[in-house]
Amino acid sequence: EAGVTQFPSHSVIEKGQTVTLRCDPISGHDNLYWYRRVMGKEIKFLLHFVKESKQDESGMPNNRFLAERTGGTYSTLKVQPAELEDSGVYFCASSQNRVKGVGDTQYFGPGTRLTVL
Amino acid sequence: QKEVEQNSGPLSVPEGAIASLNCTYSDRGSQSFFWYRQYSGKSPELIMFIYSNGDKEDGRFTAQLNKASQYVSLLIRDSQPSDSATYLCAVNVGNNAGNMLTFGGGTRLMVKP
Repeated sequence: EAGVTQFPSHSVIEKGQTVTLRCDPISGHDNLYWYRRVMGKEIKFLLHFVKESKQDESGMPNNRFLAERTGGTYSTLKVQPAELEDSGVYFCASSQNRVKGVGDTQYFGPGTRLTVL
Repeated sequence: QKEVEQNSGPLSVPEGAIASLNCTYSDRGSQSFFWYRQYSGKSPELIMFIYSNGDKEDGRFTAQLNKASQYVSLLIRDSQPSDSATYLCAVNVGNNAGNMLTFGGGTRLMVKP
């Protein structure tokens, strides 16, 4: 079974440009998460999709970030316009839909390293 | 106060020894606890999860949870150089399926041959 995949693995852009990151979750996983790790800090939650719906976007830093998951399969995260502080590693994770009462097990992709110059 | 705290390390142990990694969390409502291993430049890889107080063993790994003390630990027996990595503690707050994880900063483990 293929794991979570992310594209691109690295992206270097200039401040003010637009970048779109893509995540393909494990097949059959309804839950898709985006996380980010900026240098020297812990991994932080950005948002959570259940199928195509945004379940929780409380971690999105501002309106320069737009996430979509059309059709409930892959997801994109667009940053427009990018700022220097957006640099970091963006991870995607997915999980199966579980019975309420216990946390789900999230499987992480390799991440996209974004550098904004 | 950070929500999930870990000693950043590095924690250095000799090959064959027991490595003990610790994590504390602030939210008493936390329900589920996860340990991930992350090699440099790679994705976090799930090692174990634990929901109930007590110990949970899987091969050389044992997770220990004490909700009263808000403390979760990971023991690695017979440590190998290949265990050298950063170990991330993650906590899931709430009882809905699919909640976000809150991560600690990670503990870097070095196992010396």
